[in-house]
Amino acid sequence: AQTVTQSQPEMSVQEAETVTLSCTYDTSESNYYLFWYKQPPSRQMILVIRQEAYKQQNATENRFSVNFQKAAKSFSLKISDSQLGDTAMYFCAFGDSGAGSYQLTFGKGTKLSVIP
Amino acid sequence: GAVVSQHPSWVICKSGTSVKIECRSLDFQATTMFWYRQFPKQSLMLMATSNEGSKATYEQGVEKDKFLINHASLTLSTLTVTSAHPEDSSFYICSASRPVGGPLEQYFGPGTRLTVT
Repeated sequence: AQTVTQSQPEMSVQEAETVTLSCTYDTSESNYYLFWYKQPPSRQMILVIRQEAYKQQNATENRFSVNFQKAAKSFSLKISDSQLGDTAMYFCAFGDSGAGSYQLTFGKGTKLSVIP
Repeated sequence: GAVVSQHPSWVICKSGTSVKIECRSLDFQATTMFWYRQFPKQSLMLMATSNEGSKATYEQGVEKDKFLINHASLTLSTLTVTSAHPEDSSFYICSASRPVGGPLEQYFGPGTRLTVT
């Protein structure tokens, strides 16, 4: 079974600064996907960014980028120019495309607070 | 695109009664839908996976007879909490994934807060 570990329960960052959220995972699969989801106070889960394991290039989406280290099984999220609206819970998730069911395994989350 | 709705967003019911939560994919056909439960300040816990036209697959420890899941069409899945008790109070979230060959990510509904009194 896959496991996802987020070692930072809470983090804070000053507005306009950069912050990195950590995520490690454990799997024996070679073909998989990794995701970062954001859950703001509204509790709506929002996809932030996605990375396919077979792609060496790190995914980027505007102010959000990842550092994907496949050998180290590490998948960190960098948020640049932090904004107040980035305040949320962030969940790292692992998706095993080979399983056929497309289930996601979530980490316990990191609560990010952006301070004005 | 890829919008998922849930209804109701908030429900209060009395102990011993049943409550149904609907999950709809509004602009795509979802071959697979997932139901999660989330306790305060915790992560999402997968309860079951449902595929259109077949029985749901429940995670270990989830009571099948208590949490009835029906995936009647490619756009609708329902979760019925039967004989609800206060310990069933929680935040329930559904998600849907596109057909095989599309992106793997799940699209989430806004969640339903269930309070059992």
